[in-house]
Amino acid sequence: DAGITQSPRHKVTETGTPVTLRCHQTENHRYMYWYRQDPGHGLRLIHYSYGVKDTDKGEVSDGYSVSRSKTEDFLLTLESATSSQTSVYFCAISETETGTLYGYTFGSGTRLTVV
Amino acid sequence: QQQVKQSPQSLIVQKGGISIINCAYENTAFDYFPWYQQFPGKGPALLIAIRPDVSEKKEGRFTISFNKSAKQFSLHIMDSQPGDSATYFCAARGDSNYQLIWGAGTKLIIKP
Repeated sequence: DAGITQSPRHKVTETGTPVTLRCHQTENHRYMYWYRQDPGHGLRLIHYSYGVKDTDKGEVSDGYSVSRSKTEDFLLTLESATSSQTSVYFCAISETETGTLYGYTFGSGTRLTVV
Repeated sequence: QQQVKQSPQSLIVQKGGISIINCAYENTAFDYFPWYQQFPGKGPALLIAIRPDVSEKKEGRFTISFNKSAKQFSLHIMDSQPGDSATYFCAARGDSNYQLIWGAGTKLIIKP
């Protein structure tokens, strides 16, 4: 997707290992978000950032941490992966707090499997 | 209450027909209601959005109908095409941290 890339696209990891997912944007947008998508649950917000080093928790933040040391990068870390964290993870960016002007721009997602 | 209930979970419509997806909410403080479209292997993308001061918004074949008193809003896709086959999410801007609250999604299949 234009202006936002996620890496890796797919990952299989073992229970108990730490995992870091990366979101990189070239749009210089202030707001960045990490969501997980699971069947029947839609999109659930994990963490979000409203500026460099400014982050806050979403509704499903337990077991996850984030960091944003540069405007363009937002990292999501699973401190000790569990099978319940098997999911598709999406990063999103926006110019305004809830995308009310132009919407969120989402990355293509990272499919994470914890075995 | 910070919830948006979306129905149906899945929908099959013949080509040329009208697709209708419904969402309901409880919190009257919600003030922005977008619809996102997601194709397989991709992230969602903003399709159309409405604010509660209007009852309808149309963009091409896509229309949002908004009923403030019933706390419901719906997406209508006129002359549905196979290329419209995707998962659709409604959302609402909540009054807590101004975050989007998402519906569970509707998988739409348009049969040729």
